[in-house]
Parts: sequence; C-alpha cells; structure tokens
Amino acid sequence: GENVEQHPSTLSVQEGDSAVIKCTYSDSASNYFPWYKQELGKRPQLIIDIRSNVGEKKDQRIAVTLNKTAKHFSLHITETQPEDSAVYFCAAIRSGDNTDKLIFGTGTRLQVFP
Amino acid sequence: NAGVTQTPKFRVLKTGQSMTLLCAQDMNHEYMYWYRQDPGMGLRLIHYSVGEGTTAKGEVPDGYNVSRLKKQNFLLGLESAAPSQTSVYFCASSYPAGHQETQYFGPGTRLLVL
Repeated sequence: GENVEQHPSTLSVQEGDSAVIKCTYSDSASNYFPWYKQELGKRPQLIIDIRSNVGEKKDQRIAVTLNKTAKHFSLHITETQPEDSAVYFCAAIRSGDNTDKLIFGTGTRLQVFP
Repeated sequence: NAGVTQTPKFRVLKTGQSMTLLCAQDMNHEYMYWYRQDPGMGLRLIHYSVGEGTTAKGEVPDGYNVSRLKKQNFLLGLESAAPSQTSVYFCASSYPAGHQETQYFGPGTRLLVL
C-alpha cells in the first residue's frame, strides 16, 4: 500500500519569508496529491492539489511541485503571513480505483512570526 | 448547505462504555470516511464507505464498527471504549475517486476515555 512521509514536522519562518514542505510517496501508481491546511482547533481544508500529469500548480502565494521520477512533491508558500500559521498535511491516492484510499502524511506545523 | 456535521462535539467515556458518533452530509457525496487524529500521527483512516450499505476497513479499524444505512449518514461505533481510543475523530465525505476527490471534513469530535 501507499506510504507518505512528510518533512519537516515543524517549521518556523519570519513573516515575508518563504516556506517549503516536502512529501515523498511509495506507490508509483498514485496520481492525485492534495494539500490540506488545519488551523488550530479547526477541521482540515483543501488548499491546493496536483495530478500526476502536471509538474507544477500555483494559486496566488501557494504552489505545489511534483517530481514523479523521484516520487516526491512539495508545497511552497511565498511571502508568508501570520495567518499561514497552521498544520499542513500532504496526501496521495491512486485516483480512479474506488478500493484505494487517501493516505496522509504526519503533518507539518508552520509558525510564521511577525 | 450545512456541509459535513458531526455529533457530539465532545464526549467523556469510562473504559468499557460504548458510544456512537454520527456524521451527516448534505452534499450528496457517495464516499464517506472516519479518521482519527493523534499528535504526531496525522490523520489515520479507521473505516470508509463507497456507497449506501457498503463499508470497508481502513488503516486502524480495530475496536471500531461502522454503518452506512443512509447515503447521508455514516455512524462510527465504539463497543467497549479503551483509553487508547482517546483522540479527535473527523468524518469526511467526497465524490467518487476519479471525479472530484476533495474531501470535506466535519468539525471533529473530541473523545476522552478514562
């Protein structure tokens, strides 16, 4: 089955700096990779996702890159703001197979200091 | 639309007691999931359902049972609670894999087993 590893577990940055979170996956057949943000005491919410036929996707200050050969994908947040402080989870799934499940990484706690 | 709702929000149980957590969604999603979230462990899938009347085991199913008698509801049962089941439980729902895979999470249920 799929295994997703996420690093680092904690990340502290100064406001305005960039933050990068990396995930690796084991199943080469995985083809859908979402990122979820969970603010303290709240539910996880999707912030961006990428499919295996795309190498990069951007949405304002956030971007995700995918390297299928190396089986890793990364979340990039530029010009960080205090409201970016949260726990971020990556995940992977072999989409199209209803017997497969979304497998989450263990999360990265991002702290943005003013 | 209320989205995904969970009942109760918080519960304290004694070891050996039983309880049922209720998840309801009004988005006509086929797929529903139960996760538990523990510090440093990310989101781990307990059970899931790909349609009314169907259920399947996830990553950590032991000690839990589920039922999906109606499309909009997914129940998680603990027959004999143990302290190891102290956790935050999240329900989620989505369209079938291969379509819009975004999982929408409920607000969570915090369970403490003494």
